[in-house]
Amino acid sequence: ETGVTQSPTHLIKTRGQQVTLRCSSQSGHNTVSWYQQALGQGPQFIFQYYREEENGRGNFPPRFSGLQFPNYSSELNVNALELDDSALYLCASSLAGYEKLFFGSGTQLSVL
Amino acid sequence: AQSVTQLDSHVSVSEGTPVLLRCNYSSSYSPSLFWYVQHPNKGLQLLLKYTSAATLVKGINGFEAEFKKSETSFHLTKPSAHMSDAAEYFCVGSLTSGTYKYIFGTGTRLKVLA
Repeated sequence: ETGVTQSPTHLIKTRGQQVTLRCSSQSGHNTVSWYQQALGQGPQFIFQYYREEENGRGNFPPRFSGLQFPNYSSELNVNALELDDSALYLCASSLAGYEKLFFGSGTQLSVL
Repeated sequence: AQSVTQLDSHVSVSEGTPVLLRCNYSSSYSPSLFWYVQHPNKGLQLLLKYTSAATLVKGINGFEAEFKKSETSFHLTKPSAHMSDAAEYFCVGSLTSGTYKYIFGTGTRLKVLA
């Protein structure tokens, strides 16, 4: 186990709704990254947070947004859900300056 | 463009036989490369990483990988497959200097036959 926990594990939403996914990073880690893994694909980088600021973003629209809190936990928010947002969302924590990422087990989001 | 390509989407081997999972990368920078394994309903687990030290990297569970710059490859091998090795394997690159993001390959599903 990596010490990175994500909640909820599964979620079902309808198109147009909003969703919030949560991640608690491994103790001592100050950087959190979020990835989207569509069925049969490799994870795609959404964004990274360091010290509560967005520190880089992948090719995702602005309706994907995030937060990092002083305790380094993080949220991923997705507005105006679309069917293609159905995927496994993975959170990974790390220590700034170190490349090794520790992944949580993910949140499986289904959009109907 | 920076990219990671896994050449096989599915690989089947018999238990006790060697495993070879192939990965090529494209990067104008000296990359850091990783192999992760994903078991069903579990998070991604790091098997090994290459960060410009030794080109032959040993990882957990008997896996190793060799970085070959001339071939832009980073293939994953194991001398003898075990049933518990059945999983999805991802080759991952940190391909740009100072980058904050990983680039994942599309994955190789390893099946181990009894």
